[in-house]
Amino acid sequence: GQNIDQPTEMTATEGAIVQINCTYQTSGFNGLFWYQQHAGEAPTFLSYNVLDGLEEKGRFSSFLSRSKGYSYLLLKELQMKDSASYLCAVLPYGNNRLAFGKGNQVVVIP
Amino acid sequence: SQTIHQWPATLVQPVGSPLSLECTVEGTSNPNLYWYRQAAGRGLQLLFYSVGIGQISSEVPQNLSASRPQDRQFILSSKKLLLSDSGFYLCAWSTGPTDTQYFGPGTRLTVL
Repeated sequence: GQNIDQPTEMTATEGAIVQINCTYQTSGFNGLFWYQQHAGEAPTFLSYNVLDGLEEKGRFSSFLSRSKGYSYLLLKELQMKDSASYLCAVLPYGNNRLAFGKGNQVVVIP
Repeated sequence: SQTIHQWPATLVQPVGSPLSLECTVEGTSNPNLYWYRQAAGRGLQLLFYSVGIGQISSEVPQNLSASRPQDRQFILSSKKLLLSDSGFYLCAWSTGPTDTQYFGPGTRLTVL
Protein backbone atom coordinates (compact mmCIF):
# COMPACT_ATOMS: atom_id res chain seq x y z
CA GLY A 1 0.00 0.00 0.00
CA GLN A 2 0.95 3.64 0.02
CA ASN A 3 1.68 5.90 2.94
CA ILE A 4 1.67 9.62 2.18
CA ASP A 5 2.50 12.19 4.80
CA GLN A 6 1.94 15.93 4.62
CA PRO A 7 2.02 18.55 7.38
CA THR A 8 -1.49 19.79 8.11
CA GLU A 9 -1.36 23.57 8.15
CA MET A 10 0.93 26.56 7.73
CA THR A 11 0.55 30.31 7.70
CA ALA A 12 2.61 32.65 5.54
CA THR A 13 2.67 36.33 4.66
CA GLU A 14 1.68 37.78 1.30
CA GLY A 15 4.76 38.07 -0.94
CA ALA A 16 6.68 35.39 0.95
CA ILE A 17 7.85 31.94 -0.15
CA VAL A 18 6.41 28.76 1.32
CA GLN A 19 7.56 25.16 0.91
CA ILE A 20 5.10 22.31 1.31
CA ASN A 21 6.61 18.90 1.90
CA CYS A 22 5.35 15.45 1.04
CA THR A 23 6.94 12.14 1.96
CA TYR A 24 5.69 8.85 0.67
CA GLN A 25 6.26 5.13 0.91
CA THR A 26 5.08 3.07 -2.01
CA SER A 27 5.79 -0.25 -3.65
CA GLY A 28 6.94 1.01 -7.04
CA PHE A 29 6.57 4.56 -8.29
CA ASN A 30 5.05 5.98 -11.45
CA GLY A 31 4.82 9.68 -10.74
CA LEU A 32 3.79 12.32 -8.19
CA PHE A 33 1.15 15.00 -8.66
CA TRP A 34 0.39 18.22 -6.82
CA TYR A 35 -3.12 19.66 -6.74
CA GLN A 36 -4.53 22.88 -5.30
CA GLN A 37 -7.95 22.80 -3.64
CA HIS A 38 -9.75 25.93 -2.50
CA ALA A 39 -12.34 25.51 0.23
CA GLY A 40 -15.53 23.99 -1.12
CA GLU A 41 -14.12 23.46 -4.59
CA ALA A 42 -12.63 20.61 -6.59
CA PRO A 43 -8.86 20.03 -6.78
CA THR A 44 -7.06 21.59 -9.74
CA PHE A 45 -3.87 20.17 -11.21
CA LEU A 46 -0.64 22.05 -10.51
CA SER A 47 2.32 19.86 -11.42
CA TYR A 48 3.64 16.39 -12.19
CA ASN A 49 7.05 14.89 -11.42
CA VAL A 50 8.26 11.47 -12.49
CA LEU A 51 12.03 12.08 -12.67
CA ASP A 52 14.26 13.50 -9.94
CA GLY A 53 14.69 17.24 -10.00
CA LEU A 54 12.83 20.51 -10.11
CA GLU A 55 9.88 21.39 -12.37
CA GLU A 56 9.11 25.10 -12.56
CA LYS A 57 5.80 26.63 -13.63
CA GLY A 58 5.66 30.34 -13.01
CA ARG A 59 5.34 31.03 -9.29
CA PHE A 60 5.03 27.32 -8.49
CA SER A 61 7.85 24.76 -8.55
CA SER A 62 7.82 21.11 -7.59
CA PHE A 63 10.79 18.95 -6.64
CA LEU A 64 11.13 15.18 -6.48
CA SER A 65 13.69 12.80 -4.97
CA ARG A 66 12.66 9.22 -5.68
CA SER A 67 15.45 7.71 -3.60
CA LYS A 68 14.25 9.63 -0.54
CA GLY A 69 10.52 9.27 -1.23
CA TYR A 70 10.23 13.02 -0.93
CA SER A 71 8.70 15.90 -2.84
CA TYR A 72 8.05 19.55 -2.14
CA LEU A 73 5.94 22.25 -3.71
CA LEU A 74 7.41 25.76 -3.61
CA LEU A 75 5.08 28.73 -3.82
CA LYS A 76 6.80 32.05 -4.51
CA GLU A 77 5.50 35.61 -4.24
CA LEU A 78 2.51 34.42 -2.27
CA GLN A 79 -0.83 36.00 -3.06
CA MET A 80 -4.02 35.95 -1.01
CA LYS A 81 -5.63 33.68 -3.64
CA ASP A 82 -2.99 31.03 -2.85
CA SER A 83 -4.80 30.31 0.44
CA ALA A 84 -5.89 26.72 -0.19
CA SER A 85 -5.17 23.11 0.59
CA TYR A 86 -2.32 21.55 -1.39
CA LEU A 87 -2.65 17.84 -2.09
CA CYS A 88 0.20 15.50 -2.87
CA ALA A 89 -0.76 12.34 -4.81
CA VAL A 90 1.40 9.37 -5.70
CA LEU A 91 0.83 6.99 -8.60
CA PRO A 92 2.22 3.59 -7.67
CA TYR A 93 3.68 1.42 -10.38
CA GLY A 94 1.38 -1.33 -11.53
CA ASN A 95 -2.02 -0.54 -10.06
CA ASN A 96 -2.66 2.91 -11.57
CA ARG A 97 -4.59 4.13 -8.52
CA LEU A 98 -3.65 7.63 -7.42
CA ALA A 99 -3.12 7.76 -3.65
CA PHE A 100 -3.75 11.17 -2.11
CA GLY A 101 -2.34 12.68 1.05
CA LYS A 102 -4.70 14.56 3.35
CA GLY A 103 -3.41 17.89 2.12
CA ASN A 104 -1.60 20.85 3.63
CA GLN A 105 -3.68 23.93 4.38
CA VAL A 106 -1.84 27.16 3.53
CA VAL A 107 -3.22 30.38 4.94
CA VAL A 108 -1.87 33.59 3.42
CA ILE A 109 -2.13 36.70 5.59
CA PRO A 110 -1.56 40.35 4.62
CA SER B 1 -10.90 21.58 -25.01
CA GLN B 2 -12.17 19.07 -22.50
CA THR B 3 -14.76 19.84 -19.86
CA ILE B 4 -16.26 17.75 -17.11
CA HIS B 5 -19.68 18.28 -15.57
CA GLN B 6 -21.29 16.94 -12.43
CA TRP B 7 -24.78 17.31 -11.07
CA PRO B 8 -26.35 18.07 -8.85
CA ALA B 9 -23.98 20.50 -7.15
CA THR B 10 -25.52 19.94 -3.73
CA LEU B 11 -27.91 17.35 -2.38
CA VAL B 12 -29.57 16.72 0.97
CA GLN B 13 -31.08 13.26 1.31
CA PRO B 14 -32.65 11.29 4.18
CA VAL B 15 -31.09 8.08 5.43
CA GLY B 16 -32.37 5.10 3.46
CA SER B 17 -33.19 7.05 0.31
CA PRO B 18 -31.66 6.25 -3.10
CA LEU B 19 -28.91 8.23 -4.78
CA SER B 20 -27.89 9.00 -8.34
CA LEU B 21 -25.02 11.32 -9.19
CA GLU B 22 -24.07 11.96 -12.78
CA CYS B 23 -20.79 12.90 -14.42
CA THR B 24 -20.21 13.66 -18.09
CA VAL B 25 -17.07 14.55 -19.99
CA GLU B 26 -16.92 16.54 -23.23
CA GLY B 27 -14.15 16.95 -25.78
CA THR B 28 -12.44 13.58 -25.46
CA SER B 29 -13.09 9.96 -26.35
CA ASN B 30 -12.66 6.82 -24.26
CA PRO B 31 -11.51 8.61 -21.12
CA ASN B 32 -10.59 6.84 -17.91
CA LEU B 33 -13.21 7.89 -15.36
CA TYR B 34 -13.06 7.95 -11.58
CA TRP B 35 -15.34 8.55 -8.61
CA TYR B 36 -13.77 9.86 -5.39
CA ARG B 37 -15.24 10.81 -2.03
CA GLN B 38 -13.74 13.42 0.27
CA ALA B 39 -15.08 13.30 3.80
CA ALA B 40 -14.45 16.14 6.25
CA GLY B 41 -10.86 16.07 7.51
CA ARG B 42 -9.92 13.14 5.31
CA GLY B 43 -8.11 12.71 2.03
CA LEU B 44 -9.59 11.80 -1.32
CA GLN B 45 -10.77 8.18 -1.38
CA LEU B 46 -11.06 6.41 -4.72
CA LEU B 47 -14.42 4.65 -4.96
CA PHE B 48 -14.67 3.43 -8.57
CA TYR B 49 -12.56 3.43 -11.70
CA SER B 50 -13.58 2.77 -15.29
CA VAL B 51 -11.46 2.27 -18.42
CA GLY B 52 -14.41 1.84 -20.79
CA ILE B 53 -18.15 1.32 -21.23
CA GLY B 54 -19.44 -1.28 -18.81
CA GLN B 55 -16.02 -1.75 -17.19
CA ILE B 56 -16.03 -0.77 -13.52
CA SER B 57 -13.46 -1.48 -10.83
CA SER B 58 -14.66 -1.11 -7.26
CA GLU B 59 -12.05 0.03 -4.79
CA VAL B 60 -13.98 0.07 -1.53
CA PRO B 61 -16.79 -2.40 -0.73
CA GLN B 62 -19.81 -0.43 0.45
CA ASN B 63 -23.41 0.36 -0.41
CA LEU B 64 -22.47 2.41 -3.48
CA SER B 65 -22.31 1.28 -7.09
CA ALA B 66 -21.19 2.83 -10.37
CA SER B 67 -22.18 2.43 -13.98
CA ARG B 68 -20.89 3.67 -17.30
CA PRO B 69 -23.74 3.42 -19.79
CA GLN B 70 -22.03 5.63 -22.39
CA ASP B 71 -18.41 6.42 -23.22
CA ARG B 72 -18.40 9.79 -21.50
CA GLN B 73 -21.01 9.24 -18.81
CA PHE B 74 -20.31 7.91 -15.33
CA ILE B 75 -23.02 7.42 -12.72
CA LEU B 76 -22.71 6.83 -8.98
CA SER B 77 -25.68 5.21 -7.27
CA SER B 78 -26.95 3.85 -4.02
CA LYS B 79 -30.15 2.02 -3.16
CA LYS B 80 -30.14 3.10 0.49
CA LEU B 81 -28.01 5.95 1.81
CA LEU B 82 -26.25 5.80 5.16
CA LEU B 83 -25.24 8.72 7.36
CA SER B 84 -21.62 7.85 6.62
CA ASP B 85 -22.21 8.47 2.90
CA SER B 86 -22.15 12.23 3.49
CA GLY B 87 -19.24 13.94 1.80
CA PHE B 88 -17.95 15.70 -1.28
CA TYR B 89 -18.17 13.45 -4.34
CA LEU B 90 -15.77 14.17 -7.13
CA CYS B 91 -15.66 12.74 -10.63
CA ALA B 92 -12.40 12.87 -12.56
CA TRP B 93 -11.16 11.90 -15.99
CA SER B 94 -7.79 11.15 -17.55
CA THR B 95 -6.56 10.24 -21.02
CA GLY B 96 -4.90 7.10 -19.74
CA PRO B 97 -4.35 5.26 -16.45
CA THR B 98 -1.04 7.02 -15.69
CA ASP B 99 -2.02 10.46 -16.99
CA THR B 100 -3.07 13.54 -15.07
CA GLN B 101 -6.54 13.36 -13.60
CA TYR B 102 -8.84 16.37 -13.99
CA PHE B 103 -11.69 16.86 -11.58
CA GLY B 104 -15.26 17.95 -12.04
CA PRO B 105 -16.84 20.59 -9.78
CA GLY B 106 -18.13 17.99 -7.32
CA THR B 107 -21.38 17.19 -5.55
CA ARG B 108 -21.76 17.93 -1.87
CA LEU B 109 -24.00 15.27 -0.34
CA THR B 110 -25.50 15.54 3.12
CA VAL B 111 -27.36 12.55 4.48
CA LEU B 112 -29.66 13.35 7.43
